[in-house]
Amino acid sequence: NAGVMQNPRHLVRRRGQEARLRCSPMKGHSHVYWYRQLPEEGLKFMVYLQKENIIDESGMPKERFSAEFPKEGPSILRIQQVVRGDSAAYFCASSPRHRGNTEAFFGQGTRLTVV
Amino acid sequence: EDKVVQSPLSLVVHEGDTVTLNCSYEVTNFRSLLWYKQEKKAPTFLFMLTSSGIEKKSGRLSSILDKKELFSILNITATQTGDSAIYLCAVVDSSNTGKLIFGQGTTLQVKP
Repeated sequence: NAGVMQNPRHLVRRRGQEARLRCSPMKGHSHVYWYRQLPEEGLKFMVYLQKENIIDESGMPKERFSAEFPKEGPSILRIQQVVRGDSAAYFCASSPRHRGNTEAFFGQGTRLTVV
Repeated sequence: EDKVVQSPLSLVVHEGDTVTLNCSYEVTNFRSLLWYKQEKKAPTFLFMLTSSGIEKKSGRLSSILDKKELFSILNITATQTGDSAIYLCAVVDSSNTGKLIFGQGTTLQVKP
């Protein structure tokens, strides 16, 4: 049973380009969370999705960021017109249901560098 | 605003030492507290704490929660160089989303 798979592991984009980060949850998991880790900081919640639904996007910047989790395929975090401040590690976590008494399983992360 | 604060932010010890990492929280909708270990990859789960005063133990690591004083500690005894990592504390929000609210992390370096 593969764990949470994120790709790419490393992504370099020039300012103004688009970044697409993918997350395939563990088999049987229908809940996905995205977190961002800036240098020297802890992880910050961005968005929580279930299949075809955004449940909570309170941690997402209001502009340029969007997320989806389609019925088929991975969850996508999309950053348009990237800026240097978007450089960070982006982690995806999945769980089998609404998180109650179970921990979320994290992917290896995508390290985005904007040059 | 909900917050989780870890201390110290960084720590350097020698092999064999015992360390105590602290995590305090102010979270409106508290469900449980989690500890993760992060090396240069995904955070890996260590403990989940839901009830006060019950120690969780795994080898040389142990952790306990105090819901009255709103803090948790993570102890590592007889430290090894392989314990060098960032230790993350997170509180599970019991509202509809179950999101994790993380502290800044404690960076532990264990020297030979």
